[in-house]
Amino acid sequence: GAVVSQHPSWVICKSGTSVKIECRSLDFQATTMFWYRQFPKQSLMLMATSNEGSKATYEQGVEKDKFLINHASLTLSTLTVTSAHPEDSSFYICSAERGQDNSPLHFGNGTRLTVT
Amino acid sequence: AQSVAQPEDQVNVAEGNPLTVKCTYSVSGNPYLFWYVQYPNRGLQFLLKYITGDNLVKGSYGFEAEFNKSQTSFHLKKPSALVSDSALYFCALGGTDKLIFGTGTRLQVFP
Repeated sequence: GAVVSQHPSWVICKSGTSVKIECRSLDFQATTMFWYRQFPKQSLMLMATSNEGSKATYEQGVEKDKFLINHASLTLSTLTVTSAHPEDSSFYICSAERGQDNSPLHFGNGTRLTVT
Repeated sequence: AQSVAQPEDQVNVAEGNPLTVKCTYSVSGNPYLFWYVQYPNRGLQFLLKYITGDNLVKGSYGFEAEFNKSQTSFHLKKPSALVSDSALYFCALGGTDKLIFGTGTRLQVFP
């Protein structure tokens, strides 16, 4: 079946540094990928929709200059957390849409980011 | 406005007993409904979906869900719970450019 690979699974970085998270669709092409943030014991918060070959669409309240999204190919989207701060510590999850609208999303296994 | 609600933060059930995780929705037009499961420190896994057709939808790992239009509900069910079913369950509403997730329900199955 379809698989979405997310890397790294966990990362610890110092405050002020930048961290890049990769999301790859392994056996299908994904023109659209989604980036979520999940706080402990809470639901998923959609951060942005990543569109191959065009700018990402950010949800209200999400700083596009802080959370840089690049979708340079049909199988890869990246999220870069720039100048990370402890409050950016969270669980980040990507998902990819395969095929037609309303087909199930395929999720990566998430990235646990800890900023010290 | 479209929305989906999971009224229970946690559901506790003994192994072998039937389980139900509740979900209600609000949408203009036909709903597209999904259930996903999340294990600790993992992404979400698709369980089942309702787009059209039979109101009883069967999915992975023995789960099923019943679409009830009059009650605007899409409850997740399983006849006999397993300890390994313990996880976080999300109901989601589609039909637009993005999926709307419920707040999640933690299912705890006790041996």
